[in-house]
Amino acid sequence: KAGVTQTPRYLIKTRGQQVTLSCSPISGHRSVSWYQQTPGQGLQFLFEYFSETQRNKGNFPGRFSGRQFSNSRSEMNVSTLELGDSALYLCASSLEGTGYHEQFFGPGTRLTVL
Amino acid sequence: DAKTTQPPSMDCAEGRAANLPCNHSTISGNEYVYWYRQIHSQGPQYIIHGLKNNETNEMASLIITEDRKSSTLILPHATLRDTAVYYCIATTGANSKLTFGKGITLSVRP
Repeated sequence: KAGVTQTPRYLIKTRGQQVTLSCSPISGHRSVSWYQQTPGQGLQFLFEYFSETQRNKGNFPGRFSGRQFSNSRSEMNVSTLELGDSALYLCASSLEGTGYHEQFFGPGTRLTVL
Repeated sequence: DAKTTQPPSMDCAEGRAANLPCNHSTISGNEYVYWYRQIHSQGPQYIIHGLKNNETNEMASLIITEDRKSSTLILPHATLRDTAVYYCIATTGANSKLTFGKGITLSVRP
């Protein structure tokens, strides 16, 4: 079974631009979560989508948004990029299950903002 | 989610067991202990999880103390490929948010 895929793997943008990152979950997984990883703040939860609805949200400004499509694929968008948005953006998918919380992570998209 | 505390780093010799400790003294009765690891520049990888009983899978064993205030992840025969940051997370699993701390950096030496 194919793992979680993320595109693009690397991206360079300039301040003020916007960016869209894509994530394809493992087939059959309906939950997709996004995380930001920086050297200073570590791994931080951005948001989670399930059945095309945002179910949970972390403490990030409104410039960070996402969506999920009917096939469970997800995109996240960052508008008006700032230098501090340079990070590794990770997507994770999981099956629904009570008390079972294994998430499968993709390789990430490395975003550099100049 | 309960706060977890891990030492910043440890090392072990290749072929020996690596015992990675984690404190979670405020864990509640319905919170599981999960372990993930992240090999440099890759996405985190799930290792194992448990509630109260000890658990074992093909990757590792998880030992949880009877009072559930601490746990130990055991890699029985560490290899160089086990060099990574290991994260211990306490969560109910009621939502998909994982709260990662700083983790423990395990260095396996030849």
